[in-house]
Amino acid sequence: KNQVEQSPQSLIILEGKNCTLQCNYTVSPFSNLRWYKQDTGRGPVSLTIMTFSENTKSNGRYTATLDADTKQSSLHITASQLSDSASYICVVSAASRRRSQGNLIFGKGTKLSVKP
Amino acid sequence: GAGVSQSPSNKVTEKGKDVELRCDPISGHTALYWYRQSLGQGLEFLIYFQGNSAPDKSGLPSDRFSAERTGGSVSTLTIQRTQQEDSAVYLCASSPLLTGSGGYTFGSGTRLTVV
Repeated sequence: KNQVEQSPQSLIILEGKNCTLQCNYTVSPFSNLRWYKQDTGRGPVSLTIMTFSENTKSNGRYTATLDADTKQSSLHITASQLSDSASYICVVSAASRRRSQGNLIFGKGTKLSVKP
Repeated sequence: GAGVSQSPSNKVTEKGKDVELRCDPISGHTALYWYRQSLGQGLEFLIYFQGNSAPDKSGLPSDRFSAERTGGSVSTLTIQRTQQEDSAVYLCASSPLLTGSGGYTFGSGTRLTVV
């Protein structure tokens, strides 16, 4: 069964500190992996997207890594800011000749709170 | 428009009433998805539209839920005889590509509260 598991479920850190969020998946065949940031009351916004051949991708203070062999991804946030407080959702896309609902498998997200 | 627009942003309704949620995708996007996000849960797929093809309705939780997409653009999600368990944020997303790793853009969602 295609699944995406994220950890931790929630995380509280102090402003300026770094943190790493984890995503493990059992999606096959794999197409790509996305990290989204979802602010409270808003829709998810894409941070990074990685395909099978990509090991790391950065977007400002956000750096995502992908190990396709172990089916693990991480999202590292450097020098956290109060505005980083949000839910971070890992989404894995299964490869298919035809796009359908089954292509996207969502994790439940990690709720990050950055405190001053 | 520049993004995916959803309306209303918030909706409070009485149990048993019908509600309509609207999604206006990015112009030219052929694919449109509806998801439901309950408190503390991940996104739950509801329905998918792709061009003029028959929609994939496999995620609709009951026959009280229906959706249509007129003219390949605006979509309406209708929930009949609402129940308290229907309370959730309903998110719409659209994308431009038929296959591959095309980008998905989400709307801000409609927060539905059934009282």
